[in-house]
Amino acid sequence: GAGVSQSPRYKVAKRGQDVALRCDPISGHVSLFWYQQALGQGPEFLTYFQNEAQLDKSGLPSDRFFAERPEGSVSTLKIQRTQQEDSAVYLCASSQTGSSGNTIYFGEGSWLTVV
Amino acid sequence: AQTVTQSQPEMSVQEAETVTLSCTYDTSESNYYLFWYKQPPSRQMILVIRQEAYKQQNATENRFSVNFQKAAKSFSLKISDSQLGDTAMYFCAFMSTSGTYKYIFGTGTRLKVLA
Repeated sequence: GAGVSQSPRYKVAKRGQDVALRCDPISGHVSLFWYQQALGQGPEFLTYFQNEAQLDKSGLPSDRFFAERPEGSVSTLKIQRTQQEDSAVYLCASSQTGSSGNTIYFGEGSWLTVV
Repeated sequence: AQTVTQSQPEMSVQEAETVTLSCTYDTSESNYYLFWYKQPPSRQMILVIRQEAYKQQNATENRFSVNFQKAAKSFSLKISDSQLGDTAMYFCAFMSTSGTYKYIFGTGTRLKVLA
């Protein structure tokens, strides 16, 4: 596609519900990142994929957070048993290769509100 | 661990004037990348400018330029001839050339350009 596409753009979940956020990276991009951006803060790294391999998940805040990219293209970030502190914008980004210096392109994010 | 600090939460500038946004960072690495991203209300992160640490020449992109002081670990962004469309959040980001290539973001500076 022309850009990184994320869905849903807006999600309201009741506390305790499970949510799934989808990211469709730019076609052919090898690297895919997920970031969490709380209100008034900068984005914080969650996890990184190179093709289908999850090479770094050090930023996932708890075992309620799970990400996958089974075929090396579309990725899903799943949050189980959502809590109010999970309310944030979840940004997905992709880059063409797995090497440093490549420009990373961001999607518009999925806004999650947990009530 | 690397850290990025933006000490100016908010700034304003008159249209057509020049403004400088500050960023300092901390790292023990000798080679890395630094970025400035713009985030309008839509939340999509847009790359403004990037700098490779081993390059001594300051990067420029049209009205945007940086003052990169490696020894001082400072990376400020200068916006010349400010335009109303420059109103946005601006984030400074650090990327290591080893490991995951994840970004470490600062907390952002909200810039308002006044007519």
